Amino acid sequence: AQTVTQSQPEMSVQEAETVTLSCTYDTSESDYYLFWYKQPPSRQMILVIRQEAYKQQNATENRFSVNFQKAAKSFSLKISDSQLGDAAMYFCAYRSAIQGAQKLVFGQGTRLTINP
Amino acid sequence: NAGVMQNPRHLVRRRGQEARLRCSPMKGHSHVYWYRQLPEEGLKFMVYLQKENIIDESGMPKERFSAEFPKEGPSILRIQQVVRGDSAAYFCASSPQGPGTGNTEAFFGQGTRLTVV
Repeated sequence: AQTVTQSQPEMSVQEAETVTLSCTYDTSESDYYLFWYKQPPSRQMILVIRQEAYKQQNATENRFSVNFQKAAKSFSLKISDSQLGDAAMYFCAYRSAIQGAQKLVFGQGTRLTINP
Repeated sequence: NAGVMQNPRHLVRRRGQEARLRCSPMKGHSHVYWYRQLPEEGLKFMVYLQKENIIDESGMPKERFSAEFPKEGPSILRIQQVVRGDSAAYFCASSPQGPGTGNTEAFFGQGTRLTVV
């Protein structure tokens, strides 16, 4: 079974600075998807960024980018120019690319605080 | 196009009562997933349904929990004889087609927070 581990329960960063959230995963599959979700106090799960395992290029969405290291099974999220609205729980998630696969496997989450 | 709608947002039940959680998927979506989030934890998969069919219920507790997604109407997650340990946030997500058929995203509702007293 796949597992996802986020080793940082809490992180904080000064506004406008850069912060990196860590995520490692374990799988025997070669094709899969990785995600970062943001969960603000409203509890809404918001997709931040997605990475296909077969793509070597790291995904980027505006101020959010990932460092995907397939051999190391590492998938970290970098947030540049942090803003107060970035404060939230961040979850790393894995999904198999096997036909019919549907489960998202989530990590335990990292609570990100932005200091003004 | 409204997003995934879950109701109620908050539900309080006494031990032994039944809890019914509703999820209306996004328009055009026929695949529904339920997840449970215990306090300070990530979401855990419970069940995956298509219209009138349960596809994968490997994450569902064997007793007291059931789910359905009828041809008409919302998906229902039902918890019978609730206990304090059932207190959690329950999230529903929907997608337009099954995963594995392309890069299909699932969109989440805002969840139902169940409190058992």
